[in-house]
Amino acid sequence: DAKTTQPNSMESNEEEPVHLPCNHSTISGTDYIHWYRQLPSQGPEYVIHGLTSNVNNRMASLAIAEDRKSSTLILHRATLRDAAVYYCILRDWDNTDKLIFGTGTRLQVFP
Amino acid sequence: DTEVTQTPKHLVMGMTNKKSLKCEQHMGHRAMYWYKQKAKKPPELMFVYSYEKLSINESVPSRFSPECPNSSLLNLHLHALQPEDSALYLCASSQDSENEQFFGPGTRLTVL
Repeated sequence: DAKTTQPNSMESNEEEPVHLPCNHSTISGTDYIHWYRQLPSQGPEYVIHGLTSNVNNRMASLAIAEDRKSSTLILHRATLRDAAVYYCILRDWDNTDKLIFGTGTRLQVFP
Repeated sequence: DTEVTQTPKHLVMGMTNKKSLKCEQHMGHRAMYWYKQKAKKPPELMFVYSYEKLSINESVPSRFSPECPNSSLLNLHLHALQPEDSALYLCASSQDSENEQFFGPGTRLTVL
């Protein structure tokens, strides 16, 4: 399974944008880029996913580099509720049963 | 109903006990999963059920025995566990194996 690299932790102030980076230099052509987050004392929750093009949904935006070796999850206005561990995951189109979590980025949001 | 429920929330058991964890979803999802999460670590996949059949076992010791009695229910039977098996056990489901996974809140297991 292709691996991802994320910073261990990041900080943000409330109502500011947050850019969470993820490196995946060994990504293959059939890997989708998924993001999940885990709030304290909860199970993970799906945030967004993409293949080649940038994606937007109600929670976040996903910006994917042209060579697909990196991506950035963008939270447009951080709230205290966004404090969580954010996981960037590569999911093989041919082997979608598996969701292999990396170490993730712990995001702290300050009032 | 758009959630995955897990019972119990907490479980304490001795190494000679037999217990079961239960997971339920009523979203019509056909894929269900068990994950194990140690403190301050990411979740690790244990088992995948697809259309009520076991499709993936990530080399999990036989003291963990999954069961999928029907499309809404997933059990994890525990027997002769070790203290190092203490962890948060997460259940998830998805419409099929290609779609996003919905996670339950987990069962926090302590083995004494």
